[in-house]
Amino acid sequence: QVQLVESGGGVVQPGGSLRLSCAASGFSFGSHGMHWVRQAPGKGLEWVTFIRSDGSEMYYSDSVRGRFTISRDNSRNTLDLQMKSLRPEDTARYHCARDPDGRFTPYYFDNWGPGTLVSVSS
Amino acid sequence: DIQMTQSPSTLSASVGDRVNITCRASQSVLTWLAWYQQKPGEAPKFLIYKASTLRGGVPSRFSGSGSGTEFTLTISGLQPDDFATYYCQQYKGQSLTFGGGTKVEIK
Repeated sequence: QVQLVESGGGVVQPGGSLRLSCAASGFSFGSHGMHWVRQAPGKGLEWVTFIRSDGSEMYYSDSVRGRFTISRDNSRNTLDLQMKSLRPEDTARYHCARDPDGRFTPYYFDNWGPGTLVSVSS
Repeated sequence: DIQMTQSPSTLSASVGDRVNITCRASQSVLTWLAWYQQKPGEAPKFLIYKASTLRGGVPSRFSGSGSGTEFTLTISGLQPDDFATYYCQQYKGQSLTFGGGTKVEIK
């Protein structure tokens, strides 16, 4: 079965950096686009970024563009999110999620990981 | 970006009730709409895509309808396992957006 497991969360000061990872198994990782979606404590869901199945194109939300970078390694079945210039409003649980397709534009999220918690605070 | 608005934000209902959750888009998303269910402390679960197509394994009491800017998630015969928060999400553009969520709670 599809399994997505995030890691790398923690507490970081404003302006700091953090790198999240997602280990994927149970499916053909290189055939699917992948996303990061976050949820601030007690709040709703917010899409963060998407990467195509072959890694050729990435899309970002306005709130993170220029600060976050998504990448993937299809040989290791891993997805990463490099986060820089972190702000208190980036505090959230970050989920990696699979796109049902992902060869072109992002669609929706058919499988989710449990998430990893990021807290930006001094 | 396309804005998604859900109503109501909270809905009180009893087991066996039929409930409707509305999702409105700020511009047409055709039928590029998905629905998710989330329980406290858990990751969201994917329910419906293309506005009305149920994911395999989702109970038939769930149904989706609508197109353009107005969509509805209906649960016919609410079960104890259905008390949760529901989110809609559009995927017409390259920037994906969610509705604010509707919490279905026990009356």
